[in-house]
Amino acid sequence: DAMVIQNPRYQVTQFGKPVTLSCSQTLNHNVMYWYQQKSSQAPKLLFHYYDKDFNNEADTPDNFQSRRPNTSFCFLDIRSPGLGDAAMYLCATGAKGARPFFGQGTRLTVV
Amino acid sequence: GQSLEQPSEVTAVEGAIVQINCTYQTSGFYGLSWYQQHDGGAPTFLSYNGLDGLEETGRFSSFLSRSDSYGYLLLQELQMKDSASYFCAVRDQGQNFVFGPGTRLSVLP
Repeated sequence: DAMVIQNPRYQVTQFGKPVTLSCSQTLNHNVMYWYQQKSSQAPKLLFHYYDKDFNNEADTPDNFQSRRPNTSFCFLDIRSPGLGDAAMYLCATGAKGARPFFGQGTRLTVV
Repeated sequence: GQSLEQPSEVTAVEGAIVQINCTYQTSGFYGLSWYQQHDGGAPTFLSYNGLDGLEETGRFSSFLSRSDSYGYLLLQELQMKDSASYFCAVRDQGQNFVFGPGTRLSVLP
């Protein structure tokens, strides 16, 4: 059974139209991560939550926001998607000090 | 901050052994992990080293030297399905989990 679930697997959005990607976990992990991965590049950490504490990477654009209403769910909001935001978005969860478990990712296309 | 380096590409033939190196600089260090990623897929966990030495998992082994800030992934008896990207990753004191740039492995028949 999938332990980290991302929905949808594929998302198409219009240039400038807000979009939300979702992630849920059944592992009860404290930490949830969001990564952006563009073609032929490494996953780039956008931010992570440690419980309710939000930690933003210094170079994450303001266009990217996140919400974690409870332990199980985490959302990535892109307020005004640009063509450069087309990428695979990966959610991962981890217990403190342990390695992350990844979801299957959401591939975002901006048209 | 964190900085990791890996070779960008490695090519080998089926049945061979290949080593992928990783050097890192981090603020605090809580272990070196290795992930495999096939095109279009998510990263899948391969191996973890928290202490110096060699960890073996089937055809894959990973090594860490904390004094040298260096590790490697060793793949033995290469198969075509091993063609993928391989990432080293480190976790720092702030729970940030950061990936290296990745090494694309091509296995030739």
